Amino acid sequence: TQLLEQSPQFLSIQEGENLTVYCNSSSVFSSLQWYRQEPGEGPVLLVTVVTGGEVKKLKRLTFQFGDARKDSSLHITAAQPGDTGLYLCAGGSSSNTGKLIFGQGTTLQVKP
Amino acid sequence: DTEVTQTPKHLVMGMTNKKSLKCEQHMGHRAMYWYKQKAKKPPELMFVYSYEKLSINESVPSRFSPECPNSSLLNLHLHALQPEDSALYLCASSSTGARDYGYTFGSGTRLTVV
Repeated sequence: TQLLEQSPQFLSIQEGENLTVYCNSSSVFSSLQWYRQEPGEGPVLLVTVVTGGEVKKLKRLTFQFGDARKDSSLHITAAQPGDTGLYLCAGGSSSNTGKLIFGQGTTLQVKP
Repeated sequence: DTEVTQTPKHLVMGMTNKKSLKCEQHMGHRAMYWYKQKAKKPPELMFVYSYEKLSINESVPSRFSPECPNSSLLNLHLHALQPEDSALYLCASSSTGARDYGYTFGSGTRLTVV
């Protein structure tokens, strides 16, 4: 069974601080995706990483895919209140049915 | 059009009611999904449709009945639900390469069963 362990589950920080969210597995994934979800809305895809060692940047967000394609991280620089939300990592099931395996999520609160 | 549209946004129903949730996309995606999500938890897969055929049913109780009338529409028919079924119901779509391209989610239907 493929599992993704995401940490931390909850994070409350002050505006301007940096943070990192981790997504780990014992399984190899062909790609990993990161989503952000705001209250009352559906998750929105932020990025997909597909190559081991890949680093992608989206403004103040940096995403990294581990060399062995078993883990990923999301780093936010100088967090802002608008970054508040639920962050989800997800990987494609090895059966390629379209099913995504989701991590447990990280609830981030950025206080002004 | 890069959206998945879900209606209604909110629904309150009694345990003896029958209601339907609707989902529509016009991105040409051939895979569509229903997910259930509780507060501060990840979405839980319920059903997958691929090319308008049901390909995955994650052992969902029969009081939830999916339907895919065409490649753009997905419905979820609800009957005799329980209070614990109250949740955010999310529809998503993807190209058949969801592993590499990800999902587009709708905004969800907030369902309350009373």
